[in-house]
Amino acid sequence: NAGVTQTPKFRVLKTGQSMTLLCAQDMNHEYMYWYRQDPGMGLRLIHYSVGEGTTAKGEVPDGYNVSRLKKQNFLLGLESAAPSQTSVYFCASSYGRSTNEKLFFGSGTQLSVL
Amino acid sequence: GENVEQHPSTLSVQEGDSAVIKCTYSDSASNYFPWYKQELGKRPQLIIDIRSNVGEKKDQRIAVTLNKTAKHFSLHITETQPEDSAVYFCAASRGRNFGNEKLTFGTGTRLTIIP
Repeated sequence: NAGVTQTPKFRVLKTGQSMTLLCAQDMNHEYMYWYRQDPGMGLRLIHYSVGEGTTAKGEVPDGYNVSRLKKQNFLLGLESAAPSQTSVYFCASSYGRSTNEKLFFGSGTQLSVL
Repeated sequence: GENVEQHPSTLSVQEGDSAVIKCTYSDSASNYFPWYKQELGKRPQLIIDIRSNVGEKKDQRIAVTLNKTAKHFSLHITETQPEDSAVYFCAASRGRNFGNEKLTFGTGTRLTIIP
């Protein structure tokens, strides 16, 4: 099992450009999450999904969109990138929804917006 | 909502010494407290967790203690080794009836083990 795989690992964008981050998991997890990690701010939830075809907003959803067309994939889109979106992005998944279920994280995407 | 504060933000200890990282939380209904470890350039991974029905939990060289009255919990690492160097995140939530989307993370502690 590869676990949770994120692509790309690094990306540099110019302000106003768009991009999509792909998260794929092979553990048949129902629940998937996108976090951003900024210095001194820990992990903050952007969007999450409780199953195929469903998405919901997290703590910091503005400027991002997501889609979960297939159970194993969770896409994070930036329609018009801004410098404030420079961050490290982590995807995660869990078998169940409860916080008793541990999160499995991807290896991260380092995004710079110039 | 829940607010989790984590201290210190950076910590350096000599190899073999102990390290302690402390987190405080605001929601008295929180009852599940996991700790994640993120080595440099790698993904965060769960290393230990504790629920409010216990005051302490140990796993080899790591332990977590919980003080519900004071609303704080701590990670203790004994006999530190170079591989303990990482960023550690604490988190809090209301537990099994709430989803992971309600998990609130602390701001992280960068632990450096000095050989």
